[in-house]
Amino acid sequence: AQKITQTQPGMFVQEKEAVTLDCTYDTSDQSYGLFWYKQPSSGEMIFLIYQGSYDEQNATEGRYSLNFQKARKSANLVISASQLGDSAMYFCAMREGKGNTGFQKLVFGTGTRLLVSP
Amino acid sequence: DTAVSQTPKYLVTQMGNDKSIKCEQNLGHDTMYWYKQDSKKFLKIMFSYNNKELIINETVPNRFSPKSPDKAHLNLHINSLELGDSAVYFCASSQGPGTSGTGELFFGEGSRLTVL
Repeated sequence: AQKITQTQPGMFVQEKEAVTLDCTYDTSDQSYGLFWYKQPSSGEMIFLIYQGSYDEQNATEGRYSLNFQKARKSANLVISASQLGDSAMYFCAMREGKGNTGFQKLVFGTGTRLLVSP
Repeated sequence: DTAVSQTPKYLVTQMGNDKSIKCEQNLGHDTMYWYKQDSKKFLKIMFSYNNKELIINETVPNRFSPKSPDKAHLNLHINSLELGDSAVYFCASSQGPGTSGTGELFFGEGSRLTVL
């Protein structure tokens, strides 16, 4: 079963507008972490934002915020004031396993390609 | 200094050959990984090492053999290359279990392997 689901293969947004990239996850763990990474056309993987399962507030990093709805098991990425440089693939990922006692790995979704137009 | 560096960045080779990709991290992390990104951009973990010890092996063919001479290095050797091995291979590192932090992965730039 897919642990991380990103249902939007592609999204379009105009410059300066906000966009939401969807991510739902599946886990029975109580402790887990959710991540978003950006992969521009140059290929590198850039960490954007992290949300821990016990964090009560939604994570924010500059123009990025994570809309964490635990009951719905969703962790959507919101990019405000889109810029041309935001055009890239965006991956949602989940850390499985207990970070302090067990081994951990990141499981990735299939990604969403975002295109920002002028 | 690049935090996670892998070489070579590009590799073009014939089917049946053997090739290696090297990875080094200078972040002092205990855990290193190899991920494979296929042509559809799907990222899947292959291996994980913690302090030179293999801890995750995700049903990868035994033609793939990782080697970790020390905790700062994790190399990937691939024998008898097949067309389906063509992909981008990412090395990554993170703080190990028992440490504080998010468990965020720090990725290398990727090594694009093309098998002809």
